[in-house]
Amino acid sequence: DVKVTQSSRYLVKRTGEKVFLECVQDMDHENMFWYRQDPGLGLRLIYFSYDVKMKEKGDIPEGYSVSREKKERFSLILESASTNQTSMYLCASSFGGLYLTDTQYFGPGTRLTVL
Amino acid sequence: AQTVTQSQPEMSVQEAETVTLSCTYDTSENNYYLFWYKQPPSRQMILVIRQEAYKQQNATENRFSVNFQKAAKSFSLKISDSQLGDTAMYFCAFMKIRGANSKLTFGKGITLSVRP
Repeated sequence: DVKVTQSSRYLVKRTGEKVFLECVQDMDHENMFWYRQDPGLGLRLIYFSYDVKMKEKGDIPEGYSVSREKKERFSLILESASTNQTSMYLCASSFGGLYLTDTQYFGPGTRLTVL
Repeated sequence: AQTVTQSQPEMSVQEAETVTLSCTYDTSENNYYLFWYKQPPSRQMILVIRQEAYKQQNATENRFSVNFQKAAKSFSLKISDSQLGDTAMYFCAFMKIRGANSKLTFGKGITLSVRP
């Protein structure tokens, strides 16, 4: 079974703090993704990575950065957290390949609250 | 750019009955994949079913089946013999095939409640 884990289920931070959200997958997947999920908006892609040290912006990258130093780990960084970044954050991974059409497997999510 | 529309925010169904969740999408692509994902109250998102656009046959997975109408750009999910464990949020998603690093585009989701 594919397993995608996220470092925290719930996180509370203060405005202006630097926040790290960690994601680890154990299936040697090439691709990893960060989404945020908000009521009425569905899932929106923040960043994704198709290889170690590679990253690409998704649809809403502003205010976020990412790091992928090892294949199994993909970190989402909020350089200076703001209240409008309060959300559920979902990590996902999938096998690689030219067409990137493999199923994405999701982690349990991190509910981040920024006060 | 692709868009995915799930116009019904909520639905309710009696246990053991059949329910259909609607999804439409907009794209200029000819080859693509469509997905339905399920997110139970515990929040782990899992794949329910996927459909390749080049296949005319509708995908089925046990009690779950789709009605894929390519010309109408419609991709509905039918759940037969609904069970309490089907209570969840369901997301329709689109992925184009052409080129590398294609991304999933999600609809806004629909909350399905199965009543005992």
